[in-house]
Amino acid sequence: DAGVIQSPRHEVTEMGQEVTLRCKPISGHNSLFWYRQTMMRGLELLIYFNNNVPIDDSGMPEDRFSAKMPNASFSTLKIQPSEPRDSAVYFCASSPTGQGINGYTFGSGTRLTVV
Amino acid sequence: AQSVTQPDIHITVSEGASLELRCNYSYGATPYLFWYVQSPGQGLQLLLKYFSGDTLVQGIKGFEAEFKRSQSSFNLRKPSVHWSDAAEYFCAVGAFGDYKLSFGAGTTVTVRA
Repeated sequence: DAGVIQSPRHEVTEMGQEVTLRCKPISGHNSLFWYRQTMMRGLELLIYFNNNVPIDDSGMPEDRFSAKMPNASFSTLKIQPSEPRDSAVYFCASSPTGQGINGYTFGSGTRLTVV
Repeated sequence: AQSVTQPDIHITVSEGASLELRCNYSYGATPYLFWYVQSPGQGLQLLLKYFSGDTLVQGIKGFEAEFKRSQSSFNLRKPSVHWSDAAEYFCAVGAFGDYKLSFGAGTTVTVRA
């Protein structure tokens, strides 16, 4: 099992540019989560998908952020336009069910720097 | 709503010494509790989890944790730390029927030679 795969590992972009982060969950996992990690706010849940459908996007900070899951094996998180305050590590995680009991498997994250 | 508190932001321990990381949770029902470890530049890796039964649970890398309902705690322990245990540790709480895990702020562990 390759685990949760995220790309790119690092992204440096200029303010105002569009950024797309990618995630491939573990095969068979029907729940996918996007988290953001910063020193100030710790781990924040941005959005939760179950069976490819967004269930909870209350953590998405602004309309500049959008996420899609076109199929069970792929999800994207897009920021357009990006701002310096979006600089953070973004994690994707997946779970075999939508139950917290299972815990999550995290990817290695994408470190985003917006200059 | 559930919440998790990790009272210690940073702990320094000598290699070979014992380690205990504190975690307190707040939740009305029976919680499901987890400890994750994050090495520098890496994602979070599950160390162990508690659902029910024996209140002392064993995990990977020689870690164990004890659930104490009366104290609303789930402290993580290791008898003898190795330099490779230097990392950030997160406690998390979940619940049956809820997809969300609530994470603590994390405790950074530094291991000195």
